[in-house]
Amino acid sequence: AQKITQTQPGMFVQEKEAVTLDCTYDTSDQSYGLFWYKQPSSGEMIFLIYQGSYDEQNATEGRYSLNFQKARKSANLVISASQLGDSAMYFCAMREGPPGTSGSRLTFGEGTQLTVNP
Amino acid sequence: KAGVTQTPRYLIKTRGQQVTLSCSPISGHRSVSWYQQTPGQGLQFLFEYFSETQRNKGNFPGRFSGRQFSNSRSEMNVSTLELGDSALYLCASSISRDRGLGNTGELFFGEGSRLTVL
Repeated sequence: AQKITQTQPGMFVQEKEAVTLDCTYDTSDQSYGLFWYKQPSSGEMIFLIYQGSYDEQNATEGRYSLNFQKARKSANLVISASQLGDSAMYFCAMREGPPGTSGSRLTFGEGTQLTVNP
Repeated sequence: KAGVTQTPRYLIKTRGQQVTLSCSPISGHRSVSWYQQTPGQGLQFLFEYFSETQRNKGNFPGRFSGRQFSNSRSEMNVSTLELGDSALYLCASSISRDRGLGNTGELFFGEGSRLTVL
């Protein structure tokens, strides 16, 4: 069964500094997708970044980058130049199988609460 | 482009009652999935509907049910409510194309319906 592990329940970072949120996963599938979502206190899950298992380059989206190490089964999120508005819960999630064929079911980690200090 | 809309946002019920939650997906999205989020269990997949058919189902009792209409709108129902059903219920929609560039299987979430069972 697929599993996502986020070992950092809480992280603190100073404004304008970079922070890395850890995520490891376990799957026997060769094709899968990895996602990071941000959940502010309002509750809505906001998509940040995606990495496909066959993507050769690490994904980047603005200040977000994904450090994908396939052999180690890790997909860490790096946030550069942290802002106060980045304070939120961050979830790593995985979709097993290629997109569309197995549905849209994601398995989520337990989340990391990030606090950005001024 | 309107996002995923969930109603109601907040509701309070008592044990033994039943509740119906509604979700309107992003226009053009044919897949709707539901997740339950609690402090103890985290984010757990309930079920997914695609073209009015249940495509995936999580490990929840039969008290949890759902359906999807021809316009892709979805409802979920919880009967005989228990205290443990208190949670944030998140709906997500997806294009769910089998092929095509940029099809990551990304889920777009609504703000959720926060259910309190007394």
